[in-house]
Amino acid sequence: EAQVTQNPRYLITVTGKKLTVTCSQNMNHEYMSWYRQDPGLGLRQIYYSMNVEVTDKGDVPEGYKVSRKEKRNFPLILESPSPNQTSLYFCASSPWGLQDRYNEQFFGPGTRLTVL
Amino acid sequence: AQSVSQHNHHVILSEAASLELGCNYSYGGTVNLFWYVQYPGQHLQLLLKYFSGDPLVKGIKGFEAEFIKSKFSFNLRKPSVQWSDTAEYFCAVNARGNNDMRFGAGTRLTVKP
Repeated sequence: EAQVTQNPRYLITVTGKKLTVTCSQNMNHEYMSWYRQDPGLGLRQIYYSMNVEVTDKGDVPEGYKVSRKEKRNFPLILESPSPNQTSLYFCASSPWGLQDRYNEQFFGPGTRLTVL
Repeated sequence: AQSVSQHNHHVILSEAASLELGCNYSYGGTVNLFWYVQYPGQHLQLLLKYFSGDPLVKGIKGFEAEFIKSKFSFNLRKPSVQWSDTAEYFCAVNARGNNDMRFGAGTRLTVKP
């Protein structure tokens, strides 16, 4: 089944303890992206990647890192999480960049992160 | 950078009522526009999108949206809502030539049976 998977789905951690949220897609998509969703703010893009080893900052990259060593995986790394990073995180992928009119982003199920 | 405003935070309608959700964006250049829906407990999914051509675009489940360039708007409409349309709706914009995406804050729609 074509899908975007995220792990873990739920995570409670403490301030300063490094964590990684994994994202994987099995559709051979070139474009992948991370968003955070907060009440009243909608989704805000953190980072995106056009292909292996190509990443760019989105709207709110501070406090996050990403890597794209393989086409299928796009992990989100919080080196020193803080309470203001408590949020619902979504990974998404699409066959090509957003400029292609036939393109569509497919979203993962979300990861709910709580930083105490 | 582009930004998106959705005027209604929560809309409550009865079944069969007509729906219009507002979306305005601010950006001086050419944009691609999207509406996404998030049903309770489900992933976001694309409702419809506008890239160019006919400013009235039709999407899935009977939704449509009209791009009015002079008003920087891309409002979502449905002539008759159903209880199953209860969800959160997000407008999004992507500036032509870029690969980043900006979403609005979302509008929660509750349809009463």
